[in-house]
Amino acid sequence: DTGVSQNPRHKITKRGQNVTFRCDPISEHNRLYWYRQTLGQGPEFLTYFQNEAQLEKSRLLSDRFSAERPKGSFSTLEIQRTEQGDSAMYLCASSLVQGYEQFFGPGTRLTVL
Amino acid sequence: AQTVTQSQPEMSVQEAETVTLSCTYDTSESDYYLFWYKQPPSRQMILVIRQEAYKQQNATENRFSVNFQKAAKSFSLKISDSQLGDAAMYFCAYRGPSGTYKYIFGTGTRLKVLA
Repeated sequence: DTGVSQNPRHKITKRGQNVTFRCDPISEHNRLYWYRQTLGQGPEFLTYFQNEAQLEKSRLLSDRFSAERPKGSFSTLEIQRTEQGDSAMYLCASSLVQGYEQFFGPGTRLTVL
Repeated sequence: AQTVTQSQPEMSVQEAETVTLSCTYDTSESDYYLFWYKQPPSRQMILVIRQEAYKQQNATENRFSVNFQKAAKSFSLKISDSQLGDAAMYFCAYRGPSGTYKYIFGTGTRLKVLA
């Protein structure tokens, strides 16, 4: 296990469709984070988990967004009824409970047509 | 609310020269952490250097060092002996005290290294 992985790396979808992204964190990391990065901006926090518990959600995470981490390992981020404004890079990161450094995955680039 | 500001959208440096990237932040906390992350064109973010607010000594990692001015809420990154591989987006990030774990990022500085 050499790092955080995300799948798919790219997703093109039509407006109104649902999409789901997967993140596999570094195996011993208990915390998992989701961020969204739009062009020319820094990443913006969406949500984070400690083990399977979702402990914080940003106001950016509208009702169309849902994230899960069912067994405290991998996580999924689902966007329902996608809109063109959802087009962005979705980044996943993980960290140890006792650590403060987050390790980032390569991201999933979403394009909504 | 905490904010992070990077006022330099783009910087250029000649290979082997030194460049400094600026970052300011706003917080009412006394205990926090600051980071510089590098995002190469492949888009995977890599930690460059971190600074704990309770430490007065500036962090250093090989050619990378920071100038941490807590009272001024300033956290600049100095890259010495710049190399072509340093070309990337650089993001400054803030993390609050224990109990808050999300990062707050600045808008980034694109660094170009000229041969």
